[in-house]
Amino acid sequence: DADVTQTPRNRITKTGKRIMLECSQTKGHDRMYWYRQDPGLGLRLIYYSFDVKDINKGEISDGYSVSRQAQAKFSLSLESAIPNQTALYFCATSDWGPGTDTQYFGPGTRLTVL
Amino acid sequence: GESVGLHLPTLSVQEGDNSIINCAYSNSASDYFIWYKQESGKGPQFIIDIRSNMDKRQGQRVTVLLNKTVKHLSLQIAATQPGDSAVYFCAENIGRWGKLQFGAGTQVVVTP
Repeated sequence: DADVTQTPRNRITKTGKRIMLECSQTKGHDRMYWYRQDPGLGLRLIYYSFDVKDINKGEISDGYSVSRQAQAKFSLSLESAIPNQTALYFCATSDWGPGTDTQYFGPGTRLTVL
Repeated sequence: GESVGLHLPTLSVQEGDNSIINCAYSNSASDYFIWYKQESGKGPQFIIDIRSNMDKRQGQRVTVLLNKTVKHLSLQIAATQPGDSAVYFCAENIGRWGKLQFGAGTQVVVTP
């Protein structure tokens, strides 16, 4: 979805390096999410934010941190990357309120940690 | 624990036939379900959704059926086309906080 953009699209890095993945959205949604996808597995939630001041851990937050710089921007950081963090990372957004649960995904960032 | 899962990891369908993708869920409190399509190299794309107060919902060439008695969700694709080849995920909205739990996905392969 062009309304949700992620940078970079691909990144190769080395163990121990700090990495930041960025997400921007023009949908005007309050809620933003970071997911990780591994081969053969579904999407797993890393962190989510319901507004700029509300950030919450998901099911696999260890080794990750996030920053919600503005309503439209939500960044994911790997403070010290390790090889098992090699995966496809997706950002998503959703609106708030009854009947607005649908999440819209960005194109993903493929991260390889050597 | 409660989870969302899919019965078949791979579904091979002949072009023009109908496809049926199944999903089992175990969280009886889930009240909203979504089907996503993920093509190679792309993010998941919303296909269709259904709330727990409905049994069936139709879109363009797709129908979602919800059977709350056996906690089963299915996605039917009519007249499957090559462009339908993708991984399909079901997801359920857990509680009131807008969080989704995803199944592992089913790979649909459309053959000529």
